[in-house]
Amino acid sequence: EPEVTQTPSHQVTQMGQEVILRCVPISNHLYFYWYRQILGQKVEFLVSFYNNEISEKSEIFDDQFSVERPDGSNFTLKIRSTKLEDSAMYFCASSPDRGNGYTFGSGTRLTVV
Amino acid sequence: AQSVSQHNHHVILSEAASLELGCNYSYGGTVNLFWYVQYPGQHLQLLLKYFSGDPLVKGIKGFEAEFIKSKFSFNLRKPSVQWSDTAEYFCAVRSRYGGSQGNLIFGKGTKLSVKP
Repeated sequence: EPEVTQTPSHQVTQMGQEVILRCVPISNHLYFYWYRQILGQKVEFLVSFYNNEISEKSEIFDDQFSVERPDGSNFTLKIRSTKLEDSAMYFCASSPDRGNGYTFGSGTRLTVV
Repeated sequence: AQSVSQHNHHVILSEAASLELGCNYSYGGTVNLFWYVQYPGQHLQLLLKYFSGDPLVKGIKGFEAEFIKSKFSFNLRKPSVQWSDTAEYFCAVRSRYGGSQGNLIFGKGTKLSVKP
């Protein structure tokens, strides 16, 4: 069964550093998403990406966040200057059409110290 | 703004007990509804979804959910739980209005612990 792959599975970074979280969506999917889950809280939508541009973003997705699809297979989330409150599990997801057939990756646990 | 409420934070059951996890959503328009499960240390997996048609939806691993439009509810049920059902369960909703690109709104999750 096709999978969404995320790397690394766990990243520890110092406050103020930049991090890049990587995702390889399912190859024939067209919509890509990032969600995050702070420990003990709900899964929250960050951003959706379609046709090489952001299609929707939440209030959480401020100027320190950016997404990119640098080639035909990777989909990255960059956090420019990490804060302690960015510590969370970040999930990538992809779908073949708008909101249908979501597949989630296994997540990257980001710990900011 | 849309929201999803899951009434139980933590449910503890013995094996073979019946399960019902509540989920209510706030959006009044046409919605798609989902239940996801997250086993310890693993990613979110789709249990079942409702888009249209029969409001009683059957999913994987013996789970089912009933969409009751008048109550804005989509409760998850299983007649007899197993120890392997120990996990966190998330209800999610996607609105069908034109502006949405399909992002899901999740509930806070319900942790299910099944005692052997």
